[in-house]
Amino acid sequence: KNEVEQSPQNLTAQEGEFITINCSYSVGISALHWLQQHPGGGIVSLFMLSSGKKKHGRLIATINIQEKHSSLHITASHPRDSAVYICAVIGETSYDKVIFGPGTSLSVIP
Amino acid sequence: NAGVTQTPKFQVLKTGQSMTLQCAQDMNHEYMSWYRQDPGMGLRLIHYSVGAGITDQGEVPNGYNVSRSTTEDFPLRLLSAAPSQTSVYFCASSRLRGGIQYFGAGTRLSVL
Repeated sequence: KNEVEQSPQNLTAQEGEFITINCSYSVGISALHWLQQHPGGGIVSLFMLSSGKKKHGRLIATINIQEKHSSLHITASHPRDSAVYICAVIGETSYDKVIFGPGTSLSVIP
Repeated sequence: NAGVTQTPKFQVLKTGQSMTLQCAQDMNHEYMSWYRQDPGMGLRLIHYSVGAGITDQGEVPNGYNVSRSTTEDFPLRLLSAAPSQTSVYFCASSRLRGGIQYFGAGTRLSVL
């Protein structure tokens, strides 16, 4: 069993839909990251969370430490949101190492 | 600031050849890492460094060497390329331990 899992693996949505991507992990963590990888390959960091909720524009990330679960929500989705979204965790004792999930491929259709 | 710069962007090697992937950052970050990304596997850590002169192995270090002589540069060396090293390689840096990482644009490597 992978230490970080994401669902769904692939997601197609109509423009304007509300989107949720889930991340679950099996290790104790000090922080969780959400990353976005564009079709051209570039990777950017969206959020770093250790508790609660963060919001940036149309993106919202939440984390429940007790349940070992995080969600990334996209409100009013747009075709430019089409990308792979990657969840990554920093272990409690391995601060220098990041464990990545397999990614969720999102396609938003106009 | 240029951020994290990786060169080359593309490379084709023959089995047994050696090469160095370059990574440089101008943000004065202490922490730097090399990852490889393969279809269906996600990103996997090859080597990382917590400061100049200090490196350590990640999840998949075999066949790769690194050094960190300066804060800015963290080159990745393939000693004798194998087809299994065909992948996309990303370099990343961060200011804090476990902090937000800044990624280079990636190097797409094919080993024939």
